[in-house]
Amino acid sequence: NAGVTQTPKFRILKIGQSMTLQCAQDMNHNYMYWYRQDPGMGLKLIYYSVGAGITDKGEVPNGYNVSRSTTEDFPLRLELAAPSQTSVYFCASSFSGTSGTSTDTQYFGPGTRLTVL
Amino acid sequence: KQEVTQIPAALSVPEGENLVLNCSFTDSAIYNLQWFRQDPGKGLTSLLLIQSSQREQTSGRLNASLDKSSGRSTLYIAASQPGDSATYLCAVLSGGYQKVTFGTGTKLQVIP
Repeated sequence: NAGVTQTPKFRILKIGQSMTLQCAQDMNHNYMYWYRQDPGMGLKLIYYSVGAGITDKGEVPNGYNVSRSTTEDFPLRLELAAPSQTSVYFCASSFSGTSGTSTDTQYFGPGTRLTVL
Repeated sequence: KQEVTQIPAALSVPEGENLVLNCSFTDSAIYNLQWFRQDPGKGLTSLLLIQSSQREQTSGRLNASLDKSSGRSTLYIAASQPGDSATYLCAVLSGGYQKVTFGTGTKLQVIP
């Protein structure tokens, strides 16, 4: 299994540009997450999904959008990039079932380092 | 609002020492607590996950404990090695699956 994969690894955007960060997992996990990590700060949850077709906002969703058309893929869209979105973005997945069967261990991708100038 | 604190922010120890990393959280109504390791420029690797009904988990030289009533967890590393050098993060799941709160981490350096 490749686990959780993210592309690209690095990207520089100009203010106002848009881009999509790709995330895929091959572990048949139902839950997927997007986080951002800023220097000296803990990870902040941007969006999460509990299954295909279902997404919801996390702690810091402004300026981002997501979709989940398949179990495997969970792309993050940045519209009108701003310097405040300079960060490292991590995608993660986990399997959460009914009580007693959930593992909840989150598996992380290697991250995308984004700079907005 | 759940807040997670990790103290100290950085720790340097000689190889072979046993050490304890601390994680505290403000809301004891949690589902689970997870310890991660992060190497520079890399993603997070899960080390141990403790469900709210458990008191501790062990994996090799690592032992994590959980005391919900006091809002504390510790990660014990036995016989530390230079390869253990990394940043260690704890994360608390509470208030539903979307309520994951991370600490800011403890940066560990093990000196040969």
